[in-house]
Amino acid sequence: QKEVEQDPGPLSVPEGAIVSLNCTYSNSAFQYFMWYRQYSRKGPELLMYTYSSGNKEDGRFTAQVDKSSKYISLFIRDSQPSDSATYLCAMTPTGGGNKLTFGTGTQLKVEL
Amino acid sequence: EAGVTQSPTHLIKTRGQQATLRCSPISGHTSVYWYQQALGLGLQFLLWYDEGEERNRGNFPPRFSGRQFPNYSSELNVNALELEDSALYLCASSRATVNDEQFFGPGTRLTVL
Repeated sequence: QKEVEQDPGPLSVPEGAIVSLNCTYSNSAFQYFMWYRQYSRKGPELLMYTYSSGNKEDGRFTAQVDKSSKYISLFIRDSQPSDSATYLCAMTPTGGGNKLTFGTGTQLKVEL
Repeated sequence: EAGVTQSPTHLIKTRGQQATLRCSPISGHTSVYWYQQALGLGLQFLLWYDEGEERNRGNFPPRFSGRQFPNYSSELNVNALELEDSALYLCASSRATVNDEQFFGPGTRLTVL
């Protein structure tokens, strides 16, 4: 079993929809959680970085962490065609040598 | 502010050769990380360098090695290349703080024939 599970998609939604992307993890030592966006043939771009359980909002993006359920989510409101990309969750434990463990990524397509 | 830069963009080698990949971190960042993104395997942690020292290593054989220079730039060397080393190699940088945000470069696509 992988430490981090992420539905690979592809996920196709109409423009303006609310998108929900999710990851589950098995290692309770994970304390820091990130969401990256990766366009085709580009490097990952950091979208959200969270530590505690709860919600963090930045513009159209909301990151949610539930440590008790070992479950994190990224919500995208008013989705745009430019949001079409692969979304990667990543996490690391305290004292984990700064090693990020990634999910396999969810491919999102926002259609006009 | 310039982001993480990597060179070359593409690299084609044959089995058994050596490859050298280069990375320049964001100004002010002292930590550099290397990750491998192979098809079907996702992003895998390779190495972490900080202040010129190797701080952590992922589950990769010793033929993957690197170094960090006094200006905090870094090189990744892959010896005795194998076909399965074909992948996108990504460099990231962060401030020295433990568990700080990591910002990625565009990557070097290595193809081993």
